Amino acid sequence: QVRLQESGPGLVKPSETLSLTCTVSIDSMTDFHWSWIRQPPGKGLQWIGLVFANGTTTYNPSLKSRVNMSVDKSKRQFYVQMRSVTPADTALYYCARDVPDFSGLSNYFDYWGQGIQVTVSS
Amino acid sequence: QSALTQPPSASGSPGQSVTITCTGTGSDIGAYYYVSWYQHHPGKAPRLLIYEVDKRISGVPNRFSGTKSRNTASLTVSGLRADDEADYYCTSYAGDNIVLFGGGTRLTVL
Repeated sequence: QVRLQESGPGLVKPSETLSLTCTVSIDSMTDFHWSWIRQPPGKGLQWIGLVFANGTTTYNPSLKSRVNMSVDKSKRQFYVQMRSVTPADTALYYCARDVPDFSGLSNYFDYWGQGIQVTVSS
Repeated sequence: QSALTQPPSASGSPGQSVTITCTGTGSDIGAYYYVSWYQHHPGKAPRLLIYEVDKRISGVPNRFSGTKSRNTASLTVSGLRADDEADYYCTSYAGDNIVLFGGGTRLTVL
């Protein structure tokens, strides 16, 4: 059974950097992409971006200037950092496994973490 | 890219069928077969139901079915049950390894 678990601080001050870790219980991260998705209170899901197993990243254009993702396959972890956060970044943050198609295109998310609530407030 | 468009709400009585639409453009839903649907009960992780437009993931009952016509994808839930009450989201690949989500549809079982 594949499991993903988000971890990180639940409270971040405005203008600071939000940093989250997703730990994956899987033998190899190589054949998949790894995504972060968030849900602001009372709103829908928003794709933040993904990191390929080789470390290549793509981001939601609306967040691209503030987001950085990375992966450490030896630790079976991947990460997201979001700079200059504001209260609008308050959300439930999920990590998810992205199953690519045969050519590596993002296809669907088959396993998700339980989510971690992050509040941006002074 | 803009989010995909879903109706904010849908409803039906137990045993009935409900269809939820997801409208995009020729650059996302219209261009690729990488449309997926998720069921989300508040407080739980989203659950994959359908991928590649109409393929059910293992364990999902055949009461859930997906289709696509041009720029619009649809999820039909047949034989509605009380535990189908949840939020439903569509996603689509949109090129350049960008993924779009729909705004979500709250399904109410009357």
